[in-house]
Amino acid sequence: DVKVTQSSRYLVKRTGEKVFLECVQDMDHENMFWYRQDPGLGLRLIYFSYDVKMKEKGDIPEGYSVSREKKERFSLILESASTNQTSMYLCASSFGGQAFFGQGTRLTVV
Amino acid sequence: GENVEQHPSTLSVQEGDSAVIKCTYSDSASNYFPWYKQELGKGPQLIIDIRSNVGEKKDQRIAVTLNKTAKHFSLHITETQPEDSAVYFCAASPLGGNMLTFGGGTRLMVKP
Repeated sequence: DVKVTQSSRYLVKRTGEKVFLECVQDMDHENMFWYRQDPGLGLRLIYFSYDVKMKEKGDIPEGYSVSREKKERFSLILESASTNQTSMYLCASSFGGQAFFGQGTRLTVV
Repeated sequence: GENVEQHPSTLSVQEGDSAVIKCTYSDSASNYFPWYKQELGKGPQLIIDIRSNVGEKKDQRIAVTLNKTAKHFSLHITETQPEDSAVYFCAASPLGGNMLTFGGGTRLMVKP
């Protein structure tokens, strides 16, 4: 089975902190994604990556950056956390159009 | 770009009844349509998908139908059970493409 693992289930950070959300997949997928999930808004794409060191902006990249130094790892970075970034963050990897999600990280910024 | 709309946003059914969730999409180039189920505290999991060369696909109690002309597709769950309670997402993508566009989600509640 494909496994996508996010490093934290729950995080509480202070406004202005730099926050790192880590995601690792074990199926050698080239494509990885970061989504944000908010009530009533579904899944919104923040960034994605087709290959190591490649990244593309999604629909809501403002306030975020990403890093993909190794194929299996895709990191989401909040440069300076703000309260409006309190949300559920979902990482996914995909192959042939099929996406596989991690369990999510619920981030609270206080 | 692609836009996927999903209805209803919430759906409450009695155990044993059927549930239907509908999605429409805008990009005629889309030809891969997966459905995901998200249980509380977990990430979404693929439950069924359909490609544009077929009109219907079944897997036990769940089925998906696709109408490419009208650009809509639906998820049907028969004989619902309490464990079917979850949030369901539809999505659309060009076949072989890497980008899934998701609908807004449907919270299904199955009352025992």
